Amino acid sequence: SQKIEQNSEALNIQEGKTATLTCNYTNYSPAYLQWYRQDPGRGPVFLLLIRENEKEKRKERLKVTFDTTLKQSLFHITASQPADSATYLCALGPSNNQGGKLIFGQGTELSVKP
Amino acid sequence: EAEVAQSPRYKITEKSQAVAFWCDPISGHATLYWYRQILGQGPELLVQFQDESVVDDSQLPKDRFSAERLKGVDSTLKIQPAELGDSAMYLCASSLYLADEQFFGPGTRLTVL
Repeated sequence: SQKIEQNSEALNIQEGKTATLTCNYTNYSPAYLQWYRQDPGRGPVFLLLIRENEKEKRKERLKVTFDTTLKQSLFHITASQPADSATYLCALGPSNNQGGKLIFGQGTELSVKP
Repeated sequence: EAEVAQSPRYKITEKSQAVAFWCDPISGHATLYWYRQILGQGPELLVQFQDESVVDDSQLPKDRFSAERLKGVDSTLKIQPAELGDSAMYLCASSLYLADEQFFGPGTRLTVL
């Protein structure tokens, strides 16, 4: 069955540095991948979607890469700020690009220290 | 800005009791999802609706869980009877299209004693 793995340990970085979060998957070929942010006690908030035919996507300080050969997505936050502290979830879309079922990773907790 | 509404925000119940959660998606969103999230894990899809029809309920424990979206707008998720292992955050989400970004509500935190 498909398996998704995100950095299991919390990531602690200094303000101003670039945070890099990893999402690896096996036994699956998603048509797209999404990244969400989740604050404690709240629902996830959508950040970015990247499709299988896209290598990279950017939005302000955020950058996502998608390597279908390595079966890996990297999520970067440049010039990180304490307000970026949260849990970040990757989610794989269906392989046939139909339906809306997402399979979520367990999330990586990011802490940005001032 | 339009938001997904959920109620109640918190629910404490005893095992074997019945509980119900309500969700009102963003207006015009045809697709509605119910997820369960255990602390430290990602959300797991329980049921997905397209308008009033169930698209996927493969992970819904149908012996105790039920979900409906009668008029294709708001939705109710019910658990009867509740078990200790049902303690979790129950999230509702909606999207305009399939394979689109999902908008999540604030969730209902369920504690079963």
